[in-house]
Amino acid sequence: ETGVTQSPTHLIKTRGQQVTLRCSSQSGHNTVSWYQQALGQGPQFIFQYYREEENGRGNFPPRFSGLQFPNYSSELNVNALELDDSALYLCASSQYTGETQYFGPGTRLLVL
Amino acid sequence: SQQGEEDPQALSIQEGENATMNCSYKTSINNLQWYRQNSGRGLVHLILIRSNEREKHSGRLRVTLDTSKKSSSLLITASRAADTASYFCAGSGNTPLVFGKGTRLSVIA
Repeated sequence: ETGVTQSPTHLIKTRGQQVTLRCSSQSGHNTVSWYQQALGQGPQFIFQYYREEENGRGNFPPRFSGLQFPNYSSELNVNALELDDSALYLCASSQYTGETQYFGPGTRLLVL
Repeated sequence: SQQGEEDPQALSIQEGENATMNCSYKTSINNLQWYRQNSGRGLVHLILIRSNEREKHSGRLRVTLDTSKKSSSLLITASRAADTASYFCAGSGNTPLVFGKGTRLSVIA
């Protein structure tokens, strides 16, 4: 176990709804990254937060947004859900950008 | 971006055999990382090799890095059924990791 937790584990939403996914980082880690993994694909980088500031963003629209809190836990918010947003969402924490990342078990989102 | 691209896409071997997976990336990196993912679960870090290293070992894992060819390989020796998983590489510079589609390894008992 990595010490990174995510909630919820599974979620079903309908198109157009909004969703918030949560991640608790491993102790001592001030960097958190979020990834989207579609079935059969590798994880796609959404964005990264370092000490509560966004520190890089992948090719995702603005309806994907995030927050990092003073305790370094994090949220991923997705507005106006689309069917293609159905995926496994992974968060990963690390002590430094670019170093080993420790992944949580993921949240599986299904959009109907 | 320092994208990782794994090859082959799928690999099936018998228990006890060695498995070799390859990875290519596009730009300069500070390190290259390998991860394993069991079906539908989070990724588990296996090994990190820095750009000034050429080879690294960890248990049954052996990783090589050739920065001139922008490539890396992961060797798993004496494979076990429990090694069945998807394996991903990702190069890292000063930007976040970018993963390829992975190699799906099946180890048959």
